[in-house]
Amino acid sequence: GIQVEQSPPDLILQEGANSTLRCNFSDSVNNLQWFHQNPWGQLINLFYIPSGTKQNGRLSATTVATERYSLLYISSSQTTDSGVYFCAVDGDNAGNMLTFGGGTRLMVKP
Amino acid sequence: NAGVTQTPKFQVLKTGQSMTLQCAQDMNHEYMSWYRQDPGMGLRLIHYSVGAGITDQGEVPNGYNVSRSTTEDFPLRLLSAAPSQTSVYFCASSRDRGFYEQYFGPGTRLTVT
Repeated sequence: GIQVEQSPPDLILQEGANSTLRCNFSDSVNNLQWFHQNPWGQLINLFYIPSGTKQNGRLSATTVATERYSLLYISSSQTTDSGVYFCAVDGDNAGNMLTFGGGTRLMVKP
Repeated sequence: NAGVTQTPKFQVLKTGQSMTLQCAQDMNHEYMSWYRQDPGMGLRLIHYSVGAGITDQGEVPNGYNVSRSTTEDFPLRLLSAAPSQTSVYFCASSRDRGFYEQYFGPGTRLTVT
């Protein structure tokens, strides 16, 4: 099946810093989503981005489908950004069966 | 819209007991699925459904049953709980399979002793 790798696995930032999270995947995808899992365990949709670039406030994402990677940018980080960020993809023939990466655990210090 | 709802939020079972985790969505989505998340890991697909009356297995289906009698509901049944099924369970839905965003419920934290 499709493989999804996220880097870095852990990241510690000072409040106000910027960061880039990376997601590499091993095959063509129909669907790519970025999620934030907050400290209470809730999964929050950040972006649905199988290709192209999107922005939402301090967050933006870019997927280069031909090169099989996606990037999530967090600017001016806040303590509320802490949690785990997951990339999940659906391969071309998987029919919306999301395969999750291992996540990037982010801690933003005040 | 309430989105995707799950009950209960927490559950403790003894080994061998059975139970049903409930999932409902009010978005008229055709596609629904169940995932489990073990500590420190991403989510893994258990079962999914592409519409009422149609279900199929995901990556880790053993020990679980599902049915889809209505568009709105997609319950997950544990037939004989085992400690290896201690996990957090998430239900998800999307408009259809393919190029559509998936929406996740709040999760059910299950402990099997």
